[in-house]
Amino acid sequence: EPEVTQTPSHQVTQMGQEVILRCVPISNHLYFYWYRQILGQKVEFLVSFYNNEISEKSEIFDDQFSVERPDGSNFTLKIRSTKLEDSAMYFCASSETGLAGEEQYFGPGTRLTVT
Amino acid sequence: TQLLEQSPQFLSIQEGENLTVYCNSSSVFSSLQWYRQEPGEGPVLLVTVVTGGEVKKLKRLTFQFGDARKDSSLHITAAQPGDTGLYLCAGGSRYNTDKLIFGTGTRLQVFP
Repeated sequence: EPEVTQTPSHQVTQMGQEVILRCVPISNHLYFYWYRQILGQKVEFLVSFYNNEISEKSEIFDDQFSVERPDGSNFTLKIRSTKLEDSAMYFCASSETGLAGEEQYFGPGTRLTVT
Repeated sequence: TQLLEQSPQFLSIQEGENLTVYCNSSSVFSSLQWYRQEPGEGPVLLVTVVTGGEVKKLKRLTFQFGDARKDSSLHITAAQPGDTGLYLCAGGSRYNTDKLIFGTGTRLQVFP
């Protein structure tokens, strides 16, 4: 069964460093998403992406964040200058068409630890 | 701002008992999805409900979407230790097809 994959599974970085989190969405899906989950808190929407453009972003997704689809398979989240409060699980998700009521399928996540 | 509140937050029960988890909001959602999440893993979709009043069954799990599409419930019959995990509801915004708004989560532990 097709699945969303993410790399790395765990990333440790120092405050102020840039990190890139990678995702391979399900191949025939058109909408891609990033969510994050700070330890002990609920899953929060960061950004959605369609047709090589950001479709919607949350207040969390400030100028330090960017997303890119550098090729036909990868979808990346870049944090330019990491802060301690960026430590969280980051989940990539994809959906086939993005229509209301459609399922989003989540990857296993990348645990980002900023020291 | 759309919010989803889940109750209870924690639930510890014995194998064989029944339980219900609630997911409530003051906002209307276009759809409601239920996920289960294991520690260190991503949410895994259990079911999607889209029509007010809709009931879906998945073996021992019964999901219901409220008539007004503001709330949902998950009922588990004869819980088993394998049901242990974090259950999340997530609503699709009525006005936007993109993001999911997640509930606060219910952590279930079923003891043998």
